[in-house]
Amino acid sequence: DAGVIQSPRHEVTEMGQEVTLRCKPISGHNSLFWYRQTMMRGLELLIYFNNNVPIDDSGMPEDRFSAKMPNASFSTLKIQPSEPRDSAVYFCASSSRGGDLTEAFFGQGTRLTVV
Amino acid sequence: AQSVTQPDIHITVSEGASLELRCNYSYGATPYLFWYVQSPGQGLQLLLKYFSGDTLVQGIKGFEAEFKRSQSSFNLRKPSVHWSDAAEYFCAVAYGNKLVFGAGTILRVKS
Repeated sequence: DAGVIQSPRHEVTEMGQEVTLRCKPISGHNSLFWYRQTMMRGLELLIYFNNNVPIDDSGMPEDRFSAKMPNASFSTLKIQPSEPRDSAVYFCASSSRGGDLTEAFFGQGTRLTVV
Repeated sequence: AQSVTQPDIHITVSEGASLELRCNYSYGATPYLFWYVQSPGQGLQLLLKYFSGDTLVQGIKGFEAEFKRSQSSFNLRKPSVHWSDAAEYFCAVAYGNKLVFGAGTILRVKS
């Protein structure tokens, strides 16, 4: 398996623009997680899905952030409008057991820079 | 509330020396504990995990970790560090279906 695939790897955008980050989880995994990593706050869980359904979005910082998982093989994280403080590395991870986390496999991340 | 503390932000060791990275957690029930490693520009890779049973767990790349319930600790060890071990290491505890991470420890290896 190719692992968790994220795109793009790098994104530079201007403040106010819409940004969409994409994730393809490992085939057969039924849980998907979006994390944000910054120097100041470390790794923060933004949202996670189980069987394509959002279970906990309490980590989503504000209404500018939204996430979807239309099917088991694809998820998006959207920021609209983007702000410089959204600059971070965004990781997607997937795992195979929804109610009992065994191991989360991480993608290589998307480095977002908002100027 | 669940939390993970990694008290050392940076650690520098000589190649061939032993290594111990500290991790303390706060969690009311029996924890599921993990150590991940992140190389520059890469995602996180699982080194090892503890769910139950033997409190000394072996992982990849020669790493091991010991769960000590009385100390709420899950320290990572390696008897002899290689230059390729230079990376950032994260301890994590599973809370429900979520992973809560520590702030990370950056390991530098000097030759």
